[in-house]
Amino acid sequence: QVQLVESGGGVVQPGRSLRLSCAASGFTFSSYGMHWVRQAPGKGLEWVAVIWYDGSNKDYADSVKGRFTISRDNSKNTLYLQMNSLRAEDTAVYYCARAHEPYCKNGVCLWFFDLWGRGTLVTVSS
Amino acid sequence: DIQMTQSPSSLSASVGDRVTITCRASQSISNYLNWYQQKPGKAPKVLIYAASSLQSGVPSRFSGSGSGTDFTLTISSLQPEDFATYYCQQSYSTPQITFGQGTKLEIK
Repeated sequence: QVQLVESGGGVVQPGRSLRLSCAASGFTFSSYGMHWVRQAPGKGLEWVAVIWYDGSNKDYADSVKGRFTISRDNSKNTLYLQMNSLRAEDTAVYYCARAHEPYCKNGVCLWFFDLWGRGTLVTVSS
Repeated sequence: DIQMTQSPSSLSASVGDRVTITCRASQSISNYLNWYQQKPGKAPKVLIYAASSLQSGVPSRFSGSGSGTDFTLTISSLQPEDFATYYCQQSYSTPQITFGQGTKLEIK
């Protein structure tokens, strides 16, 4: 079954750390770029981070740059998000998502998210 | 950063109505625009990619158009299961991705 399953969410105090995992199954994980997208309660979607299919490149939203680290273990078909120095505004449901790349033109690639996990809730509160 | 602005933010409509949602980019993004549907408590689902391509398995009543800075998502005849929140998303500035703020489609 093609799926993504997140885990690791919970309640954490401001300033502390948490690591999220996303287990992939049913497809060739090592062939896809992977992303984290979050959604604060009652709010819209916010892209968080991306990692290339082979882990060679990563990028982050400005809101988490320097605090969050995305990584992957292709031998375990697992994506991670290490979250440090957590803030109240990091409270959200965190989704992992697979990026489909139908084409690239002049070095710009179309990415859309064709597979999502169910999400894991992270609550930052004292 | 490329900003994506959707309008309206919310919309009331009836089953059978034709509905259009607009997404505007702060700069030209060619056709690097995707649309998602999200229902409460669920992950988003892609409907349209590359501005006008229908994702496999998505009903044909959904369509997308536009290029450059202005895009539309149209539902030709609303069905009860279409009441949800819709988001646009640009990937022109990859690896940085941005979403619109969402349009909540409610039953009139």
